[in-house]
Amino acid sequence: EIVLTQSPGTLSLSPGERATLSCRASQSVSSNYLAWYQQKPGQAPRLLIYGASSRATGIPDRFSGSGSGTDFTLTISRLEPEDFAVYYCQQYGSSSTFGPGTKVDIK
Amino acid sequence: QVHLVQSGAEVKKPGASVKVSCKASGYSFINYYIHWVRQAPGQGLEWMGRINPYDADTDYAEKLKGRVTMARDTSTTTVHMELSSLRTDDTAVYYCVVITQGYWGQGTLVTVSS
Repeated sequence: EIVLTQSPGTLSLSPGERATLSCRASQSVSSNYLAWYQQKPGQAPRLLIYGASSRATGIPDRFSGSGSGTDFTLTISRLEPEDFAVYYCQQYGSSSTFGPGTKVDIK
Repeated sequence: QVHLVQSGAEVKKPGASVKVSCKASGYSFINYYIHWVRQAPGQGLEWMGRINPYDADTDYAEKLKGRVTMARDTSTTTVHMELSSLRTDDTAVYYCVVITQGYWGQGTLVTVSS
């Protein structure tokens, strides 16, 4: 089973700042089948990025994904008030697993 | 308009089984895997398994093998997830998901309590 580790656990930033979230896999993720989700309290997760770097439909371009192999990054270029949430990565190349999440909160 | 509509909330006793259904509409049912994901209260996301609606091939999370079964009915474009030998730590919201398209069901709360 591929284990995903996300860092940091919590990221405290101000609106307008840049957020960089990391997702590291215990082994290479095949075909870069890596997705990122945003989840707010009481809501289902929302797909942001799939295939490591492709934005899902309707996702603002301030969200970008990069990386390959075992190291992946989600970048939010300028945080908007609605971006404060929990973010999860998921690999879906070899069965599937989720990372434990990174909480982005307001500093 | 894509919809994944799940069955309603369930309350079960430890040791019982629960079956959650997910009816898909608005897209080509057989073209995309349907995954099941659960989230216990205050916890992260847990992948449970997936089913290929085209040929009913399944792949289950290691920790749930032997307790989880997924099946599909192409005539009604519905997938079912059954979890047996329920424990209190199976209490969670259960989602059906089409991963690559970002389609999520509304979630089904399953409560396991004596």
